[in-house]
Amino acid sequence: DVKVTQSSRYLVKRTGEKVFLECVQDMDHENMFWYRQDPGLGLRLIYFSYDVKMKEKGDIPEGYSVSREKKERFSLILESASTNQTSMYLCASSLAQGEWDNQPQHFGDGTRLSIL
Amino acid sequence: GEDVEQSLFLSVREGDSSVINCTYTDSSSTYLYWYKQEPGAGLQLLTYIFSNMDMKQDQRLTVLLNKKDKHLSLRIADTQTGDSAIYFCAEKGEGSQGNLIFGKGTKLSVKP
Repeated sequence: DVKVTQSSRYLVKRTGEKVFLECVQDMDHENMFWYRQDPGLGLRLIYFSYDVKMKEKGDIPEGYSVSREKKERFSLILESASTNQTSMYLCASSLAQGEWDNQPQHFGDGTRLSIL
Repeated sequence: GEDVEQSLFLSVREGDSSVINCTYTDSSSTYLYWYKQEPGAGLQLLTYIFSNMDMKQDQRLTVLLNKKDKHLSLRIADTQTGDSAIYFCAEKGEGSQGNLIFGKGTKLSVKP
């Protein structure tokens, strides 16, 4: 079974801090994704990566950056945390396949981040 | 752009069938997925269907796809209290490089 592990289930930080959220997958997946989930808004894609050292902006990249130095690890960075970044953050990974192939995403358990 | 729509809430009685509906706009969708999210947890892949199929059954779950109307449904037979969760529909478009478009989720409440 695919295992996607997020380093913290709950995290409390202060406004202005630099925050790191870590995600590790154990299935040699090429693709990795960061989403945030807010009530009534569903999942919104922040950043994704198709390979080591590659990154692409999603729908809401402002205020975030990412790092993919190793294939198994994808980090989300809040450069200067603000209260409107309080949210549930979900990491996912998937295998790179052809465009006609099945590519389900596999999710971690999420990190509930509170910015005070 | 591509969009996936779901109703936000569904309430059923234990033992009844639940039907969760989803519509999507991308006619080039290749795969469609159903995920389940229990409180405080991540999303768990429940099932999927390839776009050239119109039905897939997996134990208590039945997925129906009407490609002409771009309508997907998930039927849960003999719904149990443990089925209470948020259910997300997602589509993979042609050439999407692995990105999925998710609906906002349907919260299923099962009453005893």
